[in-house]
Amino acid sequence: EDQVTQSPEALRLQEGESSSLNCSYTVSGLRGLFWYRQDPGKGPEFLFTLYSAGEEKEKERLKATLTKKESFLHITAPKPEDSATYLCAVGDSNYQLIWGAGTKLIIKP
Amino acid sequence: DGGITQSPKYLFRKEGQNVTLSCEQNLNHDAMYWYRQDPGQGLRLIYYSQIVNDFQKGDIAEGYSVSREKKESFPLTVTSAQKNPTAFYLCASTNTDYEQYFGPGTRLTVT
Repeated sequence: EDQVTQSPEALRLQEGESSSLNCSYTVSGLRGLFWYRQDPGKGPEFLFTLYSAGEEKEKERLKATLTKKESFLHITAPKPEDSATYLCAVGDSNYQLIWGAGTKLIIKP
Repeated sequence: DGGITQSPKYLFRKEGQNVTLSCEQNLNHDAMYWYRQDPGQGLRLIYYSQIVNDFQKGDIAEGYSVSREKKESFPLTVTSAQKNPTAFYLCASTNTDYEQYFGPGTRLTVT
């Protein structure tokens, strides 16, 4: 069964304290791994797409990496405005997205 | 600016009433989707449409209906048959790289 698991469920960091969020997946025929940011009461905002193991993408303080079984979203020297829920999804062989439950990130000043 | 609009932002209904949520996009995307989001859970697919006048059921279609008469519009009706309709509803469309772009969402409360 295709599945996406994100960990941890919640992560509290001090401003400037770097860390990583994990997204592990099982899917037959990966058609991309997608990262989104979601602020409370809003729709998810697209961040990155990764297609193959070894691929990396960066945007400001965020860097996403991909292996054959998982993806990491590394956050370097985070600021309070990085606080949000980060969602991971994988595209299956039918190009439908399977979503993880998200990691709620809280950055304390 | 291109994007997806959903209306209304908040919606309150009495049990037993049908309600229609609006979704419009001007991104010229062919595929559109409706998801439901509940606290602590991933997004769950209700319906999707890859082309005008055609749509498919997702994982939790029971109690919902859709139409796709125009490329830009994909309204969702929550019927009285939906057992737990209170939720946050998200509409999305997909570009040619299968990246989904979302609207701001509609929070539906049924009492």
